[in-house]
Amino acid sequence: DAGVTQSPTHLIKTRGQQVTLRCSPKSGHDTVSWYQQALGQGPQFIFQYYEEEERQRGNFPDRFSGHQFPNYSSELNVNALWLGDSALYLCASSFKGGGETQYFGPGTRLLVL
Amino acid sequence: QKEVEQDPGPLSVPEGAIVSLNCTYSNSAFQYFMWYRQYSRKGPELLMYTYSSGNKEDGRFTAQVDKSSKYISLFIRDSQPSDSATYLCAMSLNAGNNRKLIWGLGTSLAVNP
Repeated sequence: DAGVTQSPTHLIKTRGQQVTLRCSPKSGHDTVSWYQQALGQGPQFIFQYYEEEERQRGNFPDRFSGHQFPNYSSELNVNALWLGDSALYLCASSFKGGGETQYFGPGTRLLVL
Repeated sequence: QKEVEQDPGPLSVPEGAIVSLNCTYSNSAFQYFMWYRQYSRKGPELLMYTYSSGNKEDGRFTAQVDKSSKYISLFIRDSQPSDSATYLCAMSLNAGNNRKLIWGLGTSLAVNP
């Protein structure tokens, strides 16, 4: 049973560029949540997708957008990258939005220069 | 005041010691309480979750929730060097689909052989 997978594992971009991160949920899960984790910090909730719609959103600007596909996989897009966007981006999957049983992928480490 | 407070440590203990990790929170509406373990450069791994107050035991790990004090704990018995990681507490509301996780900063634990 494959767990949550994310791609790419590492990414280097420059300020002003755009980036797309991808996530495939654990088998049987239909909900994907995205988190940003800065070094030495706990994860910060970005948004959650269920039934191909954004259901909840954290305190992140509109530069952060996402999408969920019919197969439940998801993308996170960040436009106009800032230096402060450098972080580990985590995807978590769950069933029907269940927050108490979210399973995390290994993350994508983004560095903005 | 942050919604969830967690001492970042670092905490260093000898192998075989009992480890106590704690979080306090301010929102009395939290119902689900989780502990995650995160190894360096990896995504968080769900260790324990508890609904409402009480204790839950799983092998060497025991989770306690005291809602009256807004205080949760994770105990690790017979700690092993492989337990060296960052331990994050997380919690969520029980309000329909509002299951986004609110996280502590994480406590860094080193178990020395």
